[in-house]
Amino acid sequence: DQQVKQNSPSLSVQEGRISILNCDYTNSMFDYFLWYKKYPAEGPTFLISISSIKDKNEDGRFTVFLNKSAKHLSLHIVPSQPGDSAVYFCAASTTGTYKYIFGTGTRLKVLA
Amino acid sequence: DADVTQTPRNRITKTGKRIMLECSQTKGHDRMYWYRQDPGLGLRLIYYSFDVKDINKGEISDGYSVSRQAQAKFSLSLESAIPNQTALYFCATGGERGGGEQFFGPGTRLTVL
Repeated sequence: DQQVKQNSPSLSVQEGRISILNCDYTNSMFDYFLWYKKYPAEGPTFLISISSIKDKNEDGRFTVFLNKSAKHLSLHIVPSQPGDSAVYFCAASTTGTYKYIFGTGTRLKVLA
Repeated sequence: DADVTQTPRNRITKTGKRIMLECSQTKGHDRMYWYRQDPGLGLRLIYYSFDVKDINKGEISDGYSVSRQAQAKFSLSLESAIPNQTALYFCATGGERGGGEQFFGPGTRLTVL
């Protein structure tokens, strides 16, 4: 049973446009969410996170939105750059457990 | 120098062999994790440890064992490797107070023939 789902395995976006990556979860106990970026032959690197007490968190070109009632979060990248081409994983956790459940990943390709 | 290192980076072995993957970290974190990545399945948690005396099973611990030799070292063993353990393995640290993010090593690509 996949508790964290990324239903789009891949996404292509033109450079300069917005990239929107989606993530759904089923466990209502999750209250902390993270996005990671992964380049080939490297480990994932942390990108941005959001707590369930917020519905939005921004860091430069990256914004994460959380819709708790829909159990849905999304990562917006504006403007998209070719260097953003990577696999993006969302992850969910329950505060205090320090245990993380990852989605299956979305491969983003930003076209120059 | 990398904060989280994994050895080896690549390994090819045969069915039935015992394999150990090693992880070291210089971040001073208490929490360490082992994940495997398979195409279409994302990252799945194998084992995690919150300190030297605390070891916990993750989602897919069958066929694996771990050892936390020190705060900085966490190794993963496959006692008798089988082909469906062919995967990319990642070690991670983190989840410390003030931030929930993890820091990943570069990964070990394991192939079991």
